[in-house]
Amino acid sequence: KAGVTQTPRYLIKTRGQQVTLSCSPISGHRSVSWYQQTPGQGLQFLFEYFSETQRNKGNFPGRFSGRQFSNSRSEMNVSTLELGDSALYLCASSKQTGNEKLFFGSGTQLSVL
Amino acid sequence: QQQVKQSPQSLIVQKGGISIINCAYENTAFDYFPWYQQFPGKGPALLIAIRPDVSEKKEGRFTISFNKSAKQFSLHIMDSQPGDSATYFCAATKGSGTYKYIFGTGTRLKVLA
Repeated sequence: KAGVTQTPRYLIKTRGQQVTLSCSPISGHRSVSWYQQTPGQGLQFLFEYFSETQRNKGNFPGRFSGRQFSNSRSEMNVSTLELGDSALYLCASSKQTGNEKLFFGSGTQLSVL
Repeated sequence: QQQVKQSPQSLIVQKGGISIINCAYENTAFDYFPWYQQFPGKGPALLIAIRPDVSEKKEGRFTISFNKSAKQFSLHIMDSQPGDSATYFCAATKGSGTYKYIFGTGTRLKVLA
């Protein structure tokens, strides 16, 4: 069974640009959540999607948005990039929303110059 | 009420020694406390988890100790090995509804050969 796939693995952008990150969950998993990982801050919850609906949202500005498609694949978008957005963005899937066990992808490393 | 405080930030242990990482939470609604292990270049992976109805859970060399009254839980790695060198994250959530995961800030463990 394939794991959680995130693309691309690395991205370099400049301030003011926008970026879209993609996540394909494990087959049969319907919940996808996104996290931002930075040194010293750990993993900060961005949002969770289940059956194409956003179920929960973290404390991030509106520049961060996401969506989920009918096949459970998810995308995350960051507009008007800032230097502080440089981080590892992790996607995690689980069978159901509220399901405890999360399966993480390897992440997308975003660098904003 | 949503924080999970993790310590220490980094830990160096000799091979064969015991590694201990501590976490404290605030929200008494949490009922699921997992530990995730992350190797460089990879996403976190579930290592072991506990629910508050038991005070200890052991899986191989890994043990979680849970103190409900103190709102604390800890990970013990017995007979630590160089292959255990990784970053460890504690987390807390409620296993139903739309609660989000709250992660600690991580502990970077290095086991010396």
